[in-house]
Amino acid sequence: GAGVSQSPRYKVAKRGQDVALRCDPISGHVSLFWYQQALGQGPEFLTYFQNEAQLDKSGLPSDRFFAERPEGSVSTLKIQRTQQEDSAVYLCASSLAVRTSGGVGTDTQYFGPGTRLTVL
Amino acid sequence: DAKTTQPNSMESNEEEPVHLPCNHSTISGTDYIHWYRQLPSQGPEYVIHGLTSNVNNRMASLAIAEDRKSSTLILHRATLRDAAVYYCILRDAYSGAGSYQLTFGKGTKLSVIP
Repeated sequence: GAGVSQSPRYKVAKRGQDVALRCDPISGHVSLFWYQQALGQGPEFLTYFQNEAQLDKSGLPSDRFFAERPEGSVSTLKIQRTQQEDSAVYLCASSLAVRTSGGVGTDTQYFGPGTRLTVL
Repeated sequence: DAKTTQPNSMESNEEEPVHLPCNHSTISGTDYIHWYRQLPSQGPEYVIHGLTSNVNNRMASLAIAEDRKSSTLILHRATLRDAAVYYCILRDAYSGAGSYQLTFGKGTKLSVIP
């Protein structure tokens, strides 16, 4: 079946521009995550949705970053007034599990190919 | 989640077995051991996970030490397609707020020599 898709795959923005990155999770997956990956580093958590509810946004680096998932499926990560330090690969992942007691330890996340953002 | 320690890089010859180590000396009793890998220019992909017993699947085997303070991901016959960064991640089955996401370290970069 179809995996997680992200668009665009590559985005070049001038400093100060706003960008919007899209994630299409696997159909039926309740949980959706955004991660940021700097060059040579492992991915770092940004935010988490359970259906349309944003339950954790503790990883968002500043108030210029905003994410939404209004109908509980497609999600958009928006970055306002981009800065050079925002240059990174932005990864989206989805999973079946919900954040309830027990069972989280066995949950598998499925990642998209990422969007490489370059801010000039 | 508890911390893991992995070598920065390893090399293997093609068609040879590869043993990728991971130390997790502060692992708790409810921590699952997960492995993900990231091929060049792709997102991470799940490889395998376990709790106490050794595990096998079509991709790899996971050997867990008796005291659970370390584990080893085993690729039985490395292929060029296995060249990737491998991440060892601990996930608490009963964690609360703020720990549902995966916490990646730098992982081990595996190079496969033809």
